[in-house]
Amino acid sequence: AQTVTQSQPEMSVQEAETVTLSCTYDTSESDYYLFWYKQPPSRQMILVIRQEAYKQQNATENRFSVNFQKAAKSFSLKISDSQLGDAAMYFCAYRGSNYQLIWGAGTKLIIKP
Amino acid sequence: GAGVSQSPSNKVTEKGKDVELRCDPISGHTALYWYRQSLGQGLEFLIYFQGNSAPDKSGLPSDRFSAERTGGSVSTLTIQRTQQEDSAVYLCASTFYGANVLTFGAGSRLTVL
Repeated sequence: AQTVTQSQPEMSVQEAETVTLSCTYDTSESDYYLFWYKQPPSRQMILVIRQEAYKQQNATENRFSVNFQKAAKSFSLKISDSQLGDAAMYFCAYRGSNYQLIWGAGTKLIIKP
Repeated sequence: GAGVSQSPSNKVTEKGKDVELRCDPISGHTALYWYRQSLGQGLEFLIYFQGNSAPDKSGLPSDRFSAERTGGSVSTLTIQRTQQEDSAVYLCASTFYGANVLTFGAGSRLTVL
């Protein structure tokens, strides 16, 4: 069975600096998708970025980028120029060949002004 | 609608009472998911709908939990004889069948006294 592990329950970063959130996963599938979702205090989960496993190029969305290491089964999220509005829970998720998403336990990101 | 709508936003009930939580997905989204999120925790899968049918009910924690979806649209999650351990945020998400990105509602926070 697939698993997703986020080993950092909480991270903090100074505003305007860069922070990296870690995610590792385990799967025997070769085709899959990986996601980072953000959950602010408003509770609504928002997609931050996604990566298709067959693409070697790391996905980027403005200040958010990933470091996708398929062989190592690692999918970290880098947030550059951190802003106060980035404070939230961040969840890593995996989707393989079926409809199920497998979720990590989340990382709470604190932004220090 | 423009987004996934969930109601009520907050519900406080007494132990032993029944509650209904509603999810109105994005128009045209045939796949619908219910998740439970306990305080400070990740997402726990409850049930998945494809159209009106629920091919996977494996996440429902007990027979006190049930869900239905009518007209391929609105879904209702019902919890009978609520217990204090049912206190959580219940999140609904929808997507097109076969698509990978889920759109979430803002959730229903249930508090059982």
